[in-house]
Amino acid sequence: DAKTTQPPSMDCAEGRAANLPCNHSTISGNEYVYWYRQIHSQGPQYIIHGLKNNETNEMASLIITEDRKSSTLILPHATLRDTAVYYCIAYFSNSGYALNFGKGTSLLVTP
Amino acid sequence: SAVISQKPSRDICQRGTSLTIQCQVDSQVTMMFWYRQQPGQSLTLIATANQGSEATYESGFVIDKFPISRPNLTFSTLTVSNMSPEDSSIYLCSSDSRSTDTQYFGPGTRLTVL
Repeated sequence: DAKTTQPPSMDCAEGRAANLPCNHSTISGNEYVYWYRQIHSQGPQYIIHGLKNNETNEMASLIITEDRKSSTLILPHATLRDTAVYYCIAYFSNSGYALNFGKGTSLLVTP
Repeated sequence: SAVISQKPSRDICQRGTSLTIQCQVDSQVTMMFWYRQQPGQSLTLIATANQGSEATYESGFVIDKFPISRPNLTFSTLTVSNMSPEDSSIYLCSSDSRSTDTQYFGPGTRLTVL
């Protein structure tokens, strides 16, 4: 799996959009970009994933650059409950292999 | 999405004892994974459990210390053997879901070894 790089921490004001960047410059053509988050000591929660096209669901939007070397997870209206560690993972979908978690970005949403 | 439960949710154990953690998935899955998360750290894969075969362990983890069972397509156990305080961690199981191309996680088992 390709290595991903994320900033260690970010702050965001409640109600504002949180934009979490991820670099994956060595991603291969068949690797998806997955995002998970972990709210204090709970099990990681799946957020969204994509291959080439931008994706949106009820939780977030995922913007992948055309060259696929980086992506941004967008939480459109951050709430205090979005305070968590966010993990960006490059992964071969349905490969049968485990996810490889890096250090992630610790997002603090402030009132 | 798959719903995964773990038992116990937390435990405090004495050194030298063993603890078996159970992981139950609400649907049949091919692969189940066990992770460890030490305090303040990210998740580290312990092993992959495929039904009907021996678990595959990652470097630094051995079967004698972390025996795993996978008796059917919805259940797995991880035993932490001969525990020491260094084994104090959150232990998490996960499984893949082919219908959604996604892996889902249990809530974790918080283990404290005294």
